[in-house]
Amino acid sequence: KQEVTQIPAALSVPEGENLVLNCSFTDSAIYNLQWFRQDPGKGLTSLLLIQSSQREQTSGRLNASLDKSSGRSTLYIAASQPGDSATYLCAVTSRGTASKLTFGTGTRLQVTL
Amino acid sequence: GAGVSQTPSNKVTEKGKYVELRCDPISGHTALYWYRQSLGQGPEFLIYFQGTGAADDSGLPNDRFFAVRPEGSVSTLKIQRTERGDSAVYLCASSSGQGGSTDTQYFGPGTRLTVL
Repeated sequence: KQEVTQIPAALSVPEGENLVLNCSFTDSAIYNLQWFRQDPGKGLTSLLLIQSSQREQTSGRLNASLDKSSGRSTLYIAASQPGDSATYLCAVTSRGTASKLTFGTGTRLQVTL
Repeated sequence: GAGVSQTPSNKVTEKGKYVELRCDPISGHTALYWYRQSLGQGPEFLIYFQGTGAADDSGLPNDRFFAVRPEGSVSTLKIQRTERGDSAVYLCASSSGQGGSTDTQYFGPGTRLTVL
């Protein structure tokens, strides 16, 4: 059974800092990995999707990497802003269960002024 | 609409009552998913529809939970004899249904269910 873990559970950084969020998964047979953002009381917004054959994806100040063999992904946020404050969730789609996402518990990020 | 919509946004009910939660997916999306998110946890998969049929219902916790999508568009998640442990945010997502490694799921805002 696929399990996804995210570290740290919570993180507080001052504005302008670069930061890294970590995600690990137990079964490397995945179709893809996605990073989502969730604001309080809101649904999930997809930030980046990395296919199993890819090593990284970039969107603006966000860069996500994937090391499938070691079961790890990182989300790098450059020059953090208060508007980046949210919970970030990592999720994988596993081979054999291709349509459902298995989520981690998330990292709650607070960017302070 | 442009995105996935869910109604109601909040639902408070009493233990033992029946509830229905509705999801309206992105137009043209053939795949629809239901997830449940408890406080402090990531969403957990409940059921996946491809068109009108439930392709994977392995995440439904017990037979009190049932979902339908009769015309391949709107879906309703039905919970019978609600229990306090059913309290959570119920999220719906849709995707193009073309499958493959780039089939992104788009989520609605969720329905917060509280069972008193």
